[in-house]
Formats: sequence, structure tokens, C-alpha cells
Amino acid sequence: AQSVTQLDSHVSVSEGTPVLLRCNYSSSYSPSLFWYVQHPNKGLQLLLKYTSAATLVKGINGFEAEFKKSETSFHLTKPSAHMSDAAEYFCVVRKRIGFSGGYNKLIFGAGTRLAVHP
Amino acid sequence: DSGVTQTPKHLITATGQRVTLRCSPRSGDLSVYWYQQSLDQGLQFLIQYYNGEERAKGNILERFSAQQFPDLHSELNLSSLELGDSALYFCASSRNSQGPYEQYFGPGTRLTVT
Repeated sequence: AQSVTQLDSHVSVSEGTPVLLRCNYSSSYSPSLFWYVQHPNKGLQLLLKYTSAATLVKGINGFEAEFKKSETSFHLTKPSAHMSDAAEYFCVVRKRIGFSGGYNKLIFGAGTRLAVHP
Repeated sequence: DSGVTQTPKHLITATGQRVTLRCSPRSGDLSVYWYQQSLDQGLQFLIQYYNGEERAKGNILERFSAQQFPDLHSELNLSSLELGDSALYFCASSRNSQGPYEQYFGPGTRLTVT
């Protein structure tokens, strides 16, 4: 079965320091993985996606994630945090439903709330 | 701006009532998905439509129903509302329903049941 586990519910960093948001996945086949961000009172925005091409995926706003099959991880990183990065981040795996491949849904992790301090 | 629109932004109603939430997908997207976000359950997939047909069901209650119209907009109907239905309801869309696709989310409708 497909699932994701976000290892930290809250992460706090100082502005200008690196960000690491951890995610482990479980999948019975080669997964499609995503990171989404949700700013307060906003919808969800796609940061980046992994779809079995390059294992290091670059996203928007300087974020990137590395797919590590041996560790079943897909951690999100950014070299230098900005105040505007404060938000909730969701690690997501795509789950196929049914036999024909036309049925999909996204399974969301519980989320990691990132706080950035001056 | 994702290109997905949802109306209304906020909805306050009483228990036992019925409401309709509306979603317009991005131009060219055929699939529409509905999600519920609450503090205790997190983000839960409710239902997916593709080109007017139901494709997948998640944790959707029998009191809830949805449809996708020929112009591809979708409506989520919530009836016999209970206090526990208070949540943020998101609509998302994608180009199709297969492949390593991504979904684009609307701003959500915040439903408060009193």
C-alpha cells in the first residue's frame, strides 16, 4: 500500500539557515512523489514532483528534494530559509486505484509546519 | 494563482442544512478532485471525476455527493450537515487521470456548521 510519513510535525529555523523537512514513503511500485506547500489561509501549491526521472528534483522558490530508494525517503531541503517560507508542507504519494491505470488519488502526509525566525 | 476557482470562499450554515460547493478546473483539465481538510483528519481525498464520469471514491460520506458537468465544472453537495462537517474543502484539477500527473488546487471553501 502507498503511504507517506512526515517525521516532524513542526520544524523551526532561523532566517538564512538550511531547511530540512523529512518524509519517508511506502510503495509497492515505483512511486510518484510530490511536495506541496500551504500558506496560511491559502490553497495548496505544488513545490516539486518526482516521477522516476532524475533522483534530485528541483522545485520552485529554491526548494529541492532527493529520492533515495534505499532509504525510502524523499526529504525536502532549501539552502537558506526566508521568512516567506513559513507555511505547512505536505509530502504526497500518488496511489493507483483499480486495474486500468486511469484511477488515481493522492495520499497526503500529516504535514510539517515550518516556522522561520528572524 | 493555480487557475482553479472555487466558490464560495466561506459558508456558514446550520446543522441539518444542505450546501453546494462549486469548482471550475484549469482550462483544459479534464479531471476534478475533491478533498476535505480538517484538524483531526488532515487532508482526505473524497472523490474524483474525469470528463463527467466518476472515477474514484475516497472517504466520502453517503450524505455527500458530487457531479461534473459538460463544461467540466464540478459541484460537491453536502446534506444533513453535522458539526463535524466543518472543514476546508478543496477542489483540484489535472490534465488527465493517468500517468505521473500533478494536481492543481483551488483556494478552498471554508465551511462552518453551527
